[in-house]
Amino acid sequence: GQNIDQPTEMTATEGAIVQINCTYQTSGFNGLFWYQQHAGEAPTFLSYNVLDGLEEKGRFSSFLSRSKGYSYLLLKELQMKDSASYLCAVRDSNYQLIWGAGTKLIIKP
Amino acid sequence: IAGITQAPTSQILAAGRRMTLRCTQDMRHNAMYWYRQDLGLGLRLIHYSNTAGTTGKGEVPDGYSVSRANTDDFPLTLASAVPSQTSVYFCASSELAGGGYNEQFFGPGTRLTVL
Repeated sequence: GQNIDQPTEMTATEGAIVQINCTYQTSGFNGLFWYQQHAGEAPTFLSYNVLDGLEEKGRFSSFLSRSKGYSYLLLKELQMKDSASYLCAVRDSNYQLIWGAGTKLIIKP
Repeated sequence: IAGITQAPTSQILAAGRRMTLRCTQDMRHNAMYWYRQDLGLGLRLIHYSNTAGTTGKGEVPDGYSVSRANTDDFPLTLASAVPSQTSVYFCASSELAGGGYNEQFFGPGTRLTVL
C-alpha cells in the first residue's frame, strides 16, 4: 500500500527553527510537495523536490532523500503566522498526489 | 473571478438527497481534481480530469460522479448522500496533468454535513 507519515503535532517558539519530517512508501515517485494549510482555509503550495538535496525559499527549505524515502521541511525565524498544518504529498507512478495527514505546528511566543 | 471558486461554502443535507458541488477556475488549467479532507486523514482524491471531456476515478470514488464539459467547470455530484460523506471538499486545478513543477491550486472548500 501507499503510505505517507508525518508527526501529528509539533510545538515551537517564535523566532526558533523547526524541522517537520515526512517519510513515504509509494508506488513510484514523481516528486514531493509541501503545502501549508491554515485552519479553515485551503492548502497553499510551499515547495517541490524531485531530486535529492535541499531547496531553499526564504525562511523555508525542503530536503529530499529518495533512497531513504524521506523529506523534511525546515522553517527558520518562526513567526506566529506560521501556526498552521503542513502537508506532505508524493506524486506517484500515476502522477496523482498521495497526501500525508499533515503536521499541526503550534507557535508559542 | 480570480483562481478557483467553489459553491456552496457550506451545506447541511438530509441523507438520501442529491447534491452538486460546483467548482470553477479561470486559470485555463487543463487538469482538475476533487478531494475530501477528514480529520486525522490526508486529502483523498475522489475524481480527477486531465483535460476537458475526460474524467478518472481516484482513491475514493464510490457515491460520487463528475463531469468536465468544458475547461473551467468541474462539478461533483452526490447522487444519494449518506452520513459518511460528511467532510470538507476541495476542488483543485493544475496547469497540466503529469510530472514537472506542476503545483495544484486549491479552491476555498465546501463544508458538507449529511444528517
